[in-house]
Amino acid sequence: GAVVSQHPSWVICKSGTSVKIECRSLDFQATTMFWYRQFPKQSLMLMATSNEGSKATYEQGVEKDKFLINHASLTLSTLTVTSAHPEDSSFYICSARDMVHLASSYEQYFGPGTRLTVT
Amino acid sequence: SQKIEQNSEALNIQEGKTATLTCNYTNYSPAYLQWYRQDPGRGPVFLLLIRENEKEKRKERLKVTFDTTLKQSLFHITASQPADSATYLCAPSNSGYALNFGKGTSLLVTP
Repeated sequence: GAVVSQHPSWVICKSGTSVKIECRSLDFQATTMFWYRQFPKQSLMLMATSNEGSKATYEQGVEKDKFLINHASLTLSTLTVTSAHPEDSSFYICSARDMVHLASSYEQYFGPGTRLTVT
Repeated sequence: SQKIEQNSEALNIQEGKTATLTCNYTNYSPAYLQWYRQDPGRGPVFLLLIRENEKEKRKERLKVTFDTTLKQSLFHITASQPADSATYLCAPSNSGYALNFGKGTSLLVTP
């Protein structure tokens, strides 16, 4: 099946610094990737939709200047948390859809997540 | 606004029994509904998708129903095993793009 990887799996950073998280589709092309955030015992909340070669679409309440998304290729999207603060500490998960194999195009394949802790 | 509700309480059942999880949605007319499994500290894993014109879908020990009149989906795991212990998320959707998830129901299967 389709595999999505994320790197790093966890990161601790100091308040005010920036952190970049990578999301890769390993064996399929993903024109669209999604970034979610999940706080403990909460649902996954969609942050933004990342489209290859164009600007990301952010959900209401998500600051686009704080959460920079770049989707430079069909297999890689990055999320950069700029000037991170303790309240940004969360579990960040990306997902992608395989648009080539249409029989499975509704499924989303999720990465393993990145645990961000801002001290 | 759109709302997705799943059993808020954790579900504890004995091994071998059938677990039934509920997903209700409001202010929504999804064309399909997906169920995912999430283990602690991991990303969700796709389990089943059911379309609005399907009443029931099965995959091995899993069964999903979809009642668009009641705006409800039921997710059943038969002959449950301790390895089925996880959080199960439902995601009614329309566009085929981003998913909106319920909070999930935590299932614990004890030997």
